[in-house]
Amino acid sequence: KQEVTQIPAALSVPEGENLVLNCSFTDSAIYNLQWFRQDPGKGLTSLLLIQSSQREQTSGRLNASLDKSSGRSTLYIAASQPGDSATYLCAVWVRQGGSEKLVFGKGTKLTVNP
Amino acid sequence: KAGVTQTPRYLIKTRGQQVTLSCSPISGHRSVSWYQQTPGQGLQFLFEYFSETQRNKGNFPGRFSGRQFSNSRSEMNVSTLELGDSALYLCASSGRGSHNEQFFGPGTRLTVL
Repeated sequence: KQEVTQIPAALSVPEGENLVLNCSFTDSAIYNLQWFRQDPGKGLTSLLLIQSSQREQTSGRLNASLDKSSGRSTLYIAASQPGDSATYLCAVWVRQGGSEKLVFGKGTKLTVNP
Repeated sequence: KAGVTQTPRYLIKTRGQQVTLSCSPISGHRSVSWYQQTPGQGLQFLFEYFSETQRNKGNFPGRFSGRQFSNSRSEMNVSTLELGDSALYLCASSGRGSHNEQFFGPGTRLTVL
């Protein structure tokens, strides 16, 4: 059964710092991996999607990498800003129990202090 | 392009009642998935509909059901509500079906008293 883990559960950094969020998964048989952010009480905003054949994706100040063989992904945020404060979730598309589905980690709550 | 919309945004029900939640996907998207988010379990997949057919299903009891209409709008129904059904219910749409980029709605916050 696929399990997704995100460490740390919470992270607090000063504004301007570069930071890395980690995501690990137990089964390398994934279709793709997607990073989201969630603001309190809101839905999820898609940040980056990495196909299983890709190694990384970039969007603005965000860069996500994927190492399927080791079951790891990282989300790099450059020059963090207070507006980046949110919970960041990673999720992997897998085939499990006869169905295909997105399996989520519990998230990393990021606070960027001005 | 309008995003995924969900109605209602907030709902309060009592144990034993049933509830229906609605989701309108992004125009042109044919896949709609439903998720339950709770503080303890995090985000869990309920089911996915594509072209009016349930294509994938998570590990939830039969009290949770759904359907999709010809215009791709989807509804989720929970019967005989339990206290543990209190959660944020999110739907997501995708243009090409399974394991492609998911776009989420704002969610429906369900409270069961």
